Parts: sequence; structure tokens; C-alpha cells
Amino acid sequence: ELKVEQNPLFLSMQEGKNYTIYCNYSTTSDRLYWYRQDPGKSLESLFVLLSNGAVKQEGRLMASLDTKARLSTLHITAAVHDLSATYFCAVDPNSNYQLIWGAGTKLIIKP
Amino acid sequence: DAEITQSPRHKITETGRQVTLACHQTWNHNNMFWYRQDLGHGLRLIHYSYGVQDTNKGEVSDGYSVSRSNTEDLPLTLESAASSQTSVYFCASSDSFFWDEQFFGPGTRLTVL
Repeated sequence: ELKVEQNPLFLSMQEGKNYTIYCNYSTTSDRLYWYRQDPGKSLESLFVLLSNGAVKQEGRLMASLDTKARLSTLHITAAVHDLSATYFCAVDPNSNYQLIWGAGTKLIIKP
Repeated sequence: DAEITQSPRHKITETGRQVTLACHQTWNHNNMFWYRQDLGHGLRLIHYSYGVQDTNKGEVSDGYSVSRSNTEDLPLTLESAASSQTSVYFCASSDSFFWDEQFFGPGTRLTVL
């Protein structure tokens, strides 16, 4: 069974701290996606990671991909309140756009 | 600006009724998708389409159908609504380059009583 596991599922942290969200997947995948969802809102694409060792950064968020370990990380540097959201990872194991999604990590950043 | 819209945004219906949720995109994307989002399950794929007249079943397709008569629209029909279909439904679209991410609509919150 194809599985995408995120951990933690819930994270409460203080502003200014660093933390990492992990995304493990059970089968090979050429690409991995990270999305953000604010409460009651739609999903917004953050990163598309296409190859082993890929690293992308946008502001305080940095995503990386290790296809051999079937692991992606989303690192948050010096967190600010505006980053509070639920973060999802998804993989495309058959390269046919049929994404398999993780359950999401709800991130709360306290002032 | 290109966008993807869904209507209605909220819908309350009764068990057994037929319901159609609309999805319209102006990106001119070939690929379109319907997902449902339930607490603790992330997103699950219901149906998808790679182009006009093409439709395919996803992970949780039972009780749902779609049709694709043009590039812009992929309506989702619940043939006979059930309480288990109470959910938030998202439509998404993407182009056909292998690196393309999916762009999501605002969602439709459906309640089946």
C-alpha cells in the first residue's frame, strides 16, 4: 500500500525557533510536492522537488528531497506567526499526476 | 489572471438527492482533478481527467461521476448523496509538464443531511 507519512501531525512552537517537518513515503517517486493550507482556505503550492538532493528555499522555508531514503523535509527557520498553517506533502509515484497525500502537519506559531 | 473557480461554495442537501459541483479553470490546463478532504485523511483523489472526453477513477470514486466536454470544466456529480459524502471538495488543475504542480480551487463545503 502506498503511504505518505508526515510527522509531526501537530506542532506548536515559539516565534524565532527552528523546526523541521518530515515526510516519509513508501514507494519510489520522481517528484514531491509541498503545499500550504490556511484554515478554511484552499491549498497553495510551495515547492516542487524533482530529483534526489533537490533543495529549494523560499523565505524562511526550505525543502529538501532524499529519494534514496524516501524522505523529504520542510525546515522552518526563525519561525514567525504568519507561517501558522497546515503543511502537506504529496508524491507522484507513477508519474501520472495522481498524487498521494500525507495527512498534513498543523503548525501553530505563538508570539 | 488565470484562475480556478468552484460553485457553489457551500451546499446543504438531503440523502438520496443528486448533486453537481462545478469546477471551471481558465489556465487552459489539460489535467483536472477532484479531491475530497476529510479531517485526518489529507486529500483523496475522486476522479481525474487528462483532457477532453477523458475521465478516470481515483482512489475514492464510488458514488461520484465526472464528465469532460471542454477544457475548462470538470463537473462532479454525486448520483445519490449519502451522509458519508459530507466533506470539503477541491478541484485542481495542472499542465502536462512533468514538473507541474496542481493549482487548487477555493473548495466546496458539502453537507448531506
